[in-house]
Amino acid sequence: DSGVTQTPKHLITATGQRVTLRCSPRSGDLSVYWYQQSLDQGLQFLIQYYNGEERAKGNILERFSAQQFPDLHSELNLSSLELGDSALYFCASSVDSGRGGDTQYFGPGTRLTVL
Amino acid sequence: GNSVTQMEGPVTLSEEAFLTINCTYTATGYPSLFWYVQYPGEGLQLLLKATKADDKGSNKGFEATYRKETTSFHLEKGSVQVSDSAVYFCALSDLGSNDYKLSFGAGTTVTVRA
Repeated sequence: DSGVTQTPKHLITATGQRVTLRCSPRSGDLSVYWYQQSLDQGLQFLIQYYNGEERAKGNILERFSAQQFPDLHSELNLSSLELGDSALYFCASSVDSGRGGDTQYFGPGTRLTVL
Repeated sequence: GNSVTQMEGPVTLSEEAFLTINCTYTATGYPSLFWYVQYPGEGLQLLLKATKADDKGSNKGFEATYRKETTSFHLEKGSVQVSDSAVYFCALSDLGSNDYKLSFGAGTTVTVRA
């Protein structure tokens, strides 16, 4: 158990809909990262939040957004869903000490299926 | 930009065989290097890491050495077990890019047969 929790475990929805994925980081970790894992794109970084502020953006679509709340949990919002958004979405957390090399601990993932 | 290239799979081995998965990287700065493992139906777990040149990461019989001269971080295990069947990902985190996001290789699927 990594200490990172993600809900829900599975989501099945229709095209055009909007969903919210939730992540709670490990106790003490200030950084939350979101990654997407798909068969064709592999593991892709989406976005990072550090202590409530957006720190880095990767290959995140404009239809997707995220936030990190004062209690440090994070939500990833996916809207106007398309079939191609079907993937496994992982959240990871890290202490991000500023020295580099800190381990990112991954949650179990949310499997999104868009029909 | 940063990128990781790892050996394409799938790899199928017999128990007690030697495993090696090649990984090379390109980075703008001085990266930290990681191997993560994903067991069927689960999330990613850190297997080992190295943060500077010539460091050797090791865990559960797996080893990898950070080779700056060849920009490589190959994963090895001397005697695999059926329980090592999983997908292995090489990854880097580069301070030079001013954030700590992980850039992953494509993953190598390893199957160990009894």
